[in-house]
Amino acid sequence: EAGVTQFPSHSVIEKGQTVTLRCDPISGHDNLYWYRRVMGKEIKFLLHFVKESKQDESGMPNNRFLAERTGGTYSTLKVQPAELEDSGVYFCASSPRSGAGTSPLHFGNGTRLTVT
Amino acid sequence: AQSVTQPDIHITVSEGASLELRCNYSYGATPYLFWYVQSPGQGLQLLLKYFSGDTLVQGIKGFEAEFKRSQSSFNLRKPSVHWSDAAEYFCAVGAGGGADGLTFGKGTHLIIQP
Repeated sequence: EAGVTQFPSHSVIEKGQTVTLRCDPISGHDNLYWYRRVMGKEIKFLLHFVKESKQDESGMPNNRFLAERTGGTYSTLKVQPAELEDSGVYFCASSPRSGAGTSPLHFGNGTRLTVT
Repeated sequence: AQSVTQPDIHITVSEGASLELRCNYSYGATPYLFWYVQSPGQGLQLLLKYFSGDTLVQGIKGFEAEFKRSQSSFNLRKPSVHWSDAAEYFCAVGAGGGADGLTFGKGTHLIIQP
């Protein structure tokens, strides 16, 4: 089966610009997650979709970040306007069922975002 | 709130030597524990997981980890490392149930010397 795919793999933008990251989960996986790793820090949870609904968005840093999953398939994460501290690697993950204990996550390769 | 500590940022071992990567967690109930590996340019791959039962769990690529509740630890081990094991390793804890977000440690870079 195809894995979780993320696009683009790299993005370099200037402060104040807008960037949209895309994630295509494994087919049939209702659960989709976004995580972020800022340089030298932990990988941090951003949010969790179940189909098209936001189950948990407690990790979203601020209102410059907008995640959508229209139709419950692929998801986008938009950063507008981007700030320097948004630089990092953004990971997407999917799983067929909810519950970290019952359904481990499948991660994509990540999008490396650099804001200059 | 749950947390994960990986005290070693970098570890260097010789090819063929044994390996132990440390992980300590903080969580109020019985945790769900994971080890992930990230090779250069790749995503995170699940090595192994612990939910309940036998405290020694076997994973892929010859790795194993032991859950020690008394020490709040979940250390990763491999008896003999290969050059292809050079990567970054992440320990993570999950709350399970309706709270799905994993909490990760900062990761440990494993360097293999020939």
